[in-house]
Amino acid sequence: RKEVEQDPGPFNVPEGATVAFNCTYSNSASQSFFWYRQDCRKEPKLLMSVYSSGNEDGRFTAQLNRASQYISLLIRDSKLSDSATYLCVVHREHDYKLSFGAGTTVTVRA
Amino acid sequence: NAGVTQTPKFQVLKTGQSMTLQCAQDMNHEYMSWYRQDPGMGLRLIHYSVGAGITDQGEVPNGYNVSRSTTEDFPLRLLSAAPSQTSVYFCASNQATNTEAFFGQGTRLTVV
Repeated sequence: RKEVEQDPGPFNVPEGATVAFNCTYSNSASQSFFWYRQDCRKEPKLLMSVYSSGNEDGRFTAQLNRASQYISLLIRDSKLSDSATYLCVVHREHDYKLSFGAGTTVTVRA
Repeated sequence: NAGVTQTPKFQVLKTGQSMTLQCAQDMNHEYMSWYRQDPGMGLRLIHYSVGAGITDQGEVPNGYNVSRSTTEDFPLRLLSAAPSQTSVYFCASNQATNTEAFFGQGTRLTVV
């Protein structure tokens, strides 16, 4: 079983729609959680960290459910510029390694 | 502010050739790492370094060597290229293991 699993999508949504997707992680010792964004043929960039109580950054909302071992990302009022692949990243305390999901592709259409 | 600079952007090698991918960062980060990204898979860690003079293996180290003689530079060497090493390679650096990782622009490597 992969350490971090994501629905690859693609999620095709119209502008203005809300889209949400999850990521599950297998290691309960995981401590830090992130969403990275990767545009086509570009490097990943941090979108937001995910905190235990959930957090928002503009139109983006991230949630963490430790009991069920998943994190989620919700995008409200989707823009064309939100089209990208979203990578779920998990880090275990005392471990250098970041574990990456394979990514969820979102395409926002006009 | 340059961040993480990775070269080359594209490379084609013949099986058995060797080459070095360069990575440099100007943020004074202690942690640097190399990942490969293949279709349908997440980024996989090849090698990493927690400071100058210290390196260690990641998930998929076979066929690759690294060194860290300075804080700024972390080159990745392919010893004898194989078609299985066709991939996109990313170098990354971060201040601490649980903080934002900054990535280079990537190297698209094809081994024929």
